[in-house]
Amino acid sequence: ILNVEQSPQSLHVQEGDSTNFTCSFPSSNFYALHWYRWETAKSPEALFVMTLNGDEKKKGRISATLNTKEGYSYLYIKGSQPEDSATYLCAFIFGGGADGLTFGKGTHLIIQP
Amino acid sequence: NAGVTQTPKFQVLKTGQSMTLQCAQDMNHEYMSWYRQDPGMGLRLIHYSVGAGITDQGEVPNGYNVSRSTTEDFPLRLLSAAPSQTSVYFCASSRDGQGYGYTFGSGTRLTVV
Repeated sequence: ILNVEQSPQSLHVQEGDSTNFTCSFPSSNFYALHWYRWETAKSPEALFVMTLNGDEKKKGRISATLNTKEGYSYLYIKGSQPEDSATYLCAFIFGGGADGLTFGKGTHLIIQP
Repeated sequence: NAGVTQTPKFQVLKTGQSMTLQCAQDMNHEYMSWYRQDPGMGLRLIHYSVGAGITDQGEVPNGYNVSRSTTEDFPLRLLSAAPSQTSVYFCASSRDGQGYGYTFGSGTRLTVV
């Protein structure tokens, strides 16, 4: 069983502040890393798919980086807004890619007005 | 374009009953998978498929069967329901599982009494 760890488990951030959280995964046999945003009562939605060491992806105020050699990815949110409140999941794919996703337990982000 | 459609949305079963959770996608995605979500456990992979006629087990496959006779459909069968299978089930599909994120269905909330 692969171990994908996310920290912190939960995070309270003041509106307007920037924040970041971490996803750690096995550094060997890396194939891809996905980030998902999961709002309450909805389904997870894909944010980023990252495949290469050093990848940086950005979507609006949210960005992510990837270090496959040391086995971690960071998700950054700049200038947090209440609508950013959600659980952010990372998911790891290893080997040849012909497997499903192995998810971390997520970081639950609450933006306080 | 409906995306990933899961039915039913809610179901109550008695211990020992069998049922099939339906999942259909209209995006011509090759990769499909089933996850269950339990409190404190995150999303765990049950079974996955990389194309019609090909299925494999994920992290928690016991008590579940799948088949993939067409690209569009990936049903999950509970053979003899147990209270431990009370969970929220998500089906997801992806074009190739690496460079593209997964699209999730809206989930099925199953209670086994």
